[in-house]
Amino acid sequence: AQSVTQLGSHVSVSEGALVLLRCNYSSSVPPYLFWYVQYPNQGLQLLLKYTTGATLVKGINGFEAEFKKSETSFHLTKPSAHMSDAAEYFCAVILVGGGSYIPTFGRGTSLIVHP
Amino acid sequence: DVKVTQSSRYLVKRTGEKVFLECVQDMDHENMFWYRQDPGLGLRLIYFSYDVKMKEKGDIPEGYSVSREKKERFSLILESASTNQTSMYLCASSALQGDNEQFFGPGTRLTVL
Repeated sequence: AQSVTQLGSHVSVSEGALVLLRCNYSSSVPPYLFWYVQYPNQGLQLLLKYTTGATLVKGINGFEAEFKKSETSFHLTKPSAHMSDAAEYFCAVILVGGGSYIPTFGRGTSLIVHP
Repeated sequence: DVKVTQSSRYLVKRTGEKVFLECVQDMDHENMFWYRQDPGLGLRLIYFSYDVKMKEKGDIPEGYSVSREKKERFSLILESASTNQTSMYLCASSALQGDNEQFFGPGTRLTVL
């Protein structure tokens, strides 16, 4: 079975500051890892994903995440926050070869950006 | 541009009413999902379907049913709406092969009075 933990239900940063949203997972087999973003009153959209290959993956809007197997982490970062980054962010995991295509989602982290 | 559409963005119903939420995807995806989203609880899976006329219960199926008569359409039914079903409902689809990335609809905010 897999699980996802997002540390911090709310993260507050100033505009221009580093954004760091934490995601840890538990999985007995190699995972596929995803970050989704949800803007107010909208559905989720994919920000980035890790499947195989390079462990540092780049996504839309300047976000990136690094898969660290030894730490079972997939933290999301952005060097400089923008007001438009204010949204809810969800980390998700799917087990590779686990026979399931159903992702397990974290509970979400709300990013607040102050001017 | 690939799309998942949901029949309503906002819906207000009364307790005891039968409610239909419809979802349509244009990506020829095999898998379709219904989630509900509540503050602090994240996304919870209600039902999913991996093929036409096939359905599987998710984590919170009580009080809900689904229908998938065509590949592109997945309906969520509340047989007798209750106030505790007031929530945001999200539909998603994914391909059976590949990395199973999910594509989401815009959501339906349902209020049951």
